[in-house]
Amino acid sequence: DGGITQSPKYLFRKEGQNVTLSCEQNLNHDAMYWYRQDPGQGLRLIYYSQIVNDFQKGDIAEGYSVSREKKESFPLTVTSAQKNPTAFYLCASSSASLAKNIQYFGAGTRLSVL
Amino acid sequence: DQQVKQNSPSLSVQEGRISILNCDYTNSMFDYFLWYKKYPAEGPTFLISISSIKDKNEDGRFTVFLNKSAKHLSLHIVPSQPGDSAVYFCAARGVDGSGNTGKLIFGQGTTLQVKP
Repeated sequence: DGGITQSPKYLFRKEGQNVTLSCEQNLNHDAMYWYRQDPGQGLRLIYYSQIVNDFQKGDIAEGYSVSREKKESFPLTVTSAQKNPTAFYLCASSSASLAKNIQYFGAGTRLSVL
Repeated sequence: DQQVKQNSPSLSVQEGRISILNCDYTNSMFDYFLWYKKYPAEGPTFLISISSIKDKNEDGRFTVFLNKSAKHLSLHIVPSQPGDSAVYFCAARGVDGSGNTGKLIFGQGTTLQVKP
């Protein structure tokens, strides 16, 4: 059945280490998004991609990087430059139709620093 | 600059009663609004949406009202059920001078607790 798969569910990062969060979708959606959620806060946009091989910075892109080599996949790398990476990371996708912007979310990855 | 605000961090209601969750926005250019429901350690799920050309949209127990002059929308759940206990986020479709940006701008969320 169709959906968005994020892995791993839990991830631990050591100081100075880069880690990559996986996001795969089989909904045939053109657009994909990465958000970060901190306690008591809404979802903040990190990066988004509306088409393969193209992506744009969101509101809090510093310390993160992404790639979009395939329509189905949008991995997020949390680099050592991100000084406060502990958060719940959510990946979403949506159709390219501009009539609606319903985004469908994965189950999330919780990242913690060791 | 918080363009979408949910000023009530939490709400508690009795089972069977109405739950009313509120959301305010600042950008009069927003033309499409959505509500999402989120359980702990899960991703948000889409609940209901409304276009700015309407002032009400209903889907079963869920109704969203839009007051454009006040830049305010609300989600009504009636009757409320214990399974409705979750965090509710409102979101607005982002726009700029060129039109739809393809982004959603989320509020901070309101935690709803429905007591049996």
